[in-house]
Amino acid sequence: DTGVSQDPRHKITKRGQNVTFRCDPISEHNRLYWYRQTLGQGPEFLTYFQNEAQLEKSRLLSDRFSAERPKGSFSTLEIQRTEQGDSAMYLCASSYRGGVNEQFFGPGTRLTVL
Amino acid sequence: AQSVTQPDIHITVSEGASLELRCNYSYGATPYLFWYVQSPGQGLQLLLKYFSGDTLVQGIKGFEAEFKRSQSSFNLRKPSVHWSDAAEYFCAVGASGGSYIPTFGRGTSLIVHP
Repeated sequence: DTGVSQDPRHKITKRGQNVTFRCDPISEHNRLYWYRQTLGQGPEFLTYFQNEAQLEKSRLLSDRFSAERPKGSFSTLEIQRTEQGDSAMYLCASSYRGGVNEQFFGPGTRLTVL
Repeated sequence: AQSVTQPDIHITVSEGASLELRCNYSYGATPYLFWYVQSPGQGLQLLLKYFSGDTLVQGIKGFEAEFKRSQSSFNLRKPSVHWSDAAEYFCAVGASGGSYIPTFGRGTSLIVHP
């Protein structure tokens, strides 16, 4: 068990560029979650998957945000046409099944949009 | 909709002193409650959780929390703080029905003086 990993850890981009983040969950976990955390705030839920199915995406921040988990293992979060307001920490978490089971968080990807 | 209030943005304590971090929640039914800790450059780590049963919950690293339904509170306590406890602490509430996605408070930053 190597924990949840995220890549890259830091990303600096220019406004208008597209960015993609990757999350590798704990191997036996079938649920995967994405959160955004801005400075001075707690994590804000974006979307989650059970295996390859995206069960909740209404809380993605805009249609510029999309996420995939094509084979039920790793996941990607893409932000198109980045804006300065997208600058934040993007966190990934995974859990075994769902419900009350603990979510294990990765270290996050810090995005800076210039 | 559920919500969490952490009224203290910063708390400063001396090493060896006792600690209490406040958390108030809003949710219509019996909530699921969590405390997470986030150290710089680290992912969130679950300290403890309450789902049902005994209202005094023991967690890792010597932390405990008490669920008080009448006060809608779930305060985190530790009898003697260590310098390594300096971190950001987040309270979260999850709905007891549905997807259990937690809603996080804004966090309390703990500063420990030697």
